[in-house]
Amino acid sequence: GQQLNQSPQSMFIQEGEDVSMNCTSSSIFNTWLWYKQDPGEGPVLLIALYKAGELTSNGRLTAQFGITRKDSFLNISASIPSDVGIYFCAGQPTFGNEKLTFGTGTRLTIIP
Amino acid sequence: ETGVTQTPRHLVMGMTNKKSLKCEQHLGHNAMYWYKQSAKKPLELMFVYSLEERVENNSVPSRFSPECPNSSHLFLHLHTLQPEDSALYLCASSHSLAETGELFFGEGSRLTVL
Repeated sequence: GQQLNQSPQSMFIQEGEDVSMNCTSSSIFNTWLWYKQDPGEGPVLLIALYKAGELTSNGRLTAQFGITRKDSFLNISASIPSDVGIYFCAGQPTFGNEKLTFGTGTRLTIIP
Repeated sequence: ETGVTQTPRHLVMGMTNKKSLKCEQHLGHNAMYWYKQSAKKPLELMFVYSLEERVENNSVPSRFSPECPNSSHLFLHLHTLQPEDSALYLCASSHSLAETGELFFGEGSRLTVL
């Protein structure tokens, strides 16, 4: 089946630093999404991308849909303590009722 | 009321017990989902319902039995589970089946099978 490789698996950063993480696939996706899961909560959708090459921002978060359609990147600028959590990428081969494939997540920890 | 509510938040059960997980969404969505989240593994889709009809069953063992009495409520009935079924079970909803990417998740039910 389709798999998404997400890296890094974990990150330890200091408050104020910028964060970059990415997600790659061996097959093409036409929709990429980024979710965040806070401890003890369910995932929450951060950004959805529907077009190859698209760059979309949501506050301090910026995500890009790779031009090859096989990867996506998420950047967080000037991290703050509430950014702690697990970030998941997810992809769909086509837009619509086709199930999502999720990555294994990037766990972000902020060192005081 | 929050968007998607799951109960119980935590459940410990023996292998011979029968229990149920409940999910309720207050968003007016037409599609609901059960996902399983295990450590170090991607989220696994278990069941999909659209307008109370099951549209997908991803080779889930029969010891998991879903029920969707209306578009706002979803249950997962559990019986004779195995210890490897211990996981976080997440319910989600979306506006419609055409928007399965944009999911609204509940907080999850943490299940431990002894």
